[in-house]
Formats: sequence, structure tokens, C-alpha cells
Amino acid sequence: AQSVTQLGSHVSVSEGALVLLRCNYSSSVPPYLFWYVQYPNQGLQLLLKYTSAATLVKGINGFEAEFKKSETSFHLTKPSAHMSDAAEYFCARAGPDTDKLIFGTGTRLQVFP
Amino acid sequence: ETGVTQSPTHLIKTRGQQVTLRCSSQSGHNTVSWYQQALGQGPQFIFQYYREEENGRGNFPPRFSGLQFPNYSSELNVNALELDDSALYLCASSLDRGNGYTFGSGTRLTVV
Repeated sequence: AQSVTQLGSHVSVSEGALVLLRCNYSSSVPPYLFWYVQYPNQGLQLLLKYTSAATLVKGINGFEAEFKKSETSFHLTKPSAHMSDAAEYFCARAGPDTDKLIFGTGTRLQVFP
Repeated sequence: ETGVTQSPTHLIKTRGQQVTLRCSSQSGHNTVSWYQQALGQGPQFIFQYYREEENGRGNFPPRFSGLQFPNYSSELNVNALELDDSALYLCASSLDRGNGYTFGSGTRLTVV
């Protein structure tokens, strides 16, 4: 079955440190891939998306992700964490034969001063 | 862009009751999807509508039903509410799968 796996339910970093949130997908055909952020008691905000145009995708708030077909990965990174980055992050996929989004279980990012 | 708006933001219902949640999609977005997000979990796909027709459904029983209207609004109806239906219900609209989905802020449903 098509799925999305996020390694690490919780990630803690110091302010200014590198952020790395991991996401792997299962599919023989590269799907569309997305990263969403969710702040407490809010909906989901799209950070970035991969749609096969470029393997390195830049998003909002300084985040970027690299699509690696050989590793079936789409890890999210940010060079320098900010306190305001503390939130829940979801990796999701759509396609190639379905429009529905399949989400990972999420990673809670904590940023310490 | 007007975004996706959902109403109400919070709702408390009694087990066995029926509830209707509403969503106003982004103008021009013909596809609307509904997701259920239980506490501490990722969103789960309920169903999707394209031009007022259901064209995809997740693993949810028939008491979860929906409607999409020509004015880009939609509804999620849940009959015979159960305690496990307590969750955040999210509406999302899109032009197509490659463009991503714009989510509303959700409706927090509590069933007591």
C-alpha cells in the first residue's frame, strides 16, 4: 500500500541549529510530495511541494526539501531554527493514481533558546 | 485568493446526534476534500468531491456523507455520532493534485 513514513515523532533543536525532519515514501512511481506545518489549534499550511520540476524545492519560512528517488526520501531542512518554527510537521503524498493526500504521522519540532 | 473557511470552529454534540460542518473553498477550486484528524495523529482522508460528484472515499462508514455546491461551498454530514468521532475536521480545496491543497482552519468536534 502507498504510504508515508516520518522518522521521529519528536525532534528537538536549539535556536540557530540545523533542522532536519525525515520523510520516506513508498511508491514505484514518484508521487507528488508535500510538507505541511500545523500550529496548535490551527489547520495545515503548505510549506513546499514536489511535482517533478526540480529535485530541490524551496518553500516558505526558509525551509527546503530534496527529493531523492534512489532513497525514496523527501527530507525537510532549514539551516537555522527559529523559535517560531516550533510546530507539528506533516509529510504527505498524492498520486500518481489518486488525488487524496496520504499523511505521515507527523513530527513535533521543539526549538530551545 | 480568499482561502478556505470552515464553520463552526468548535462544536459539542451528544452521542447519537447528527452534525453538519461547512466549508467555503477557494474560488475556482473544483476539488474539495475532507479529512479527520484525531488528537495526536495525522489527517485521514474521508472523501473528495469534484464538480459536485464524489470521486474518492476513504475508510469511513456511510454515516459520513457530503455535498459540494456550485458556489465552491461544501458540507460534511455525520449521522449517529459516536465518541470516536471527536476530532478536528479539515476541509481542503485544490485545482489539481500537483498544485497542492489549501486547508481551512478546521472544525473541532467534541462528542460527549
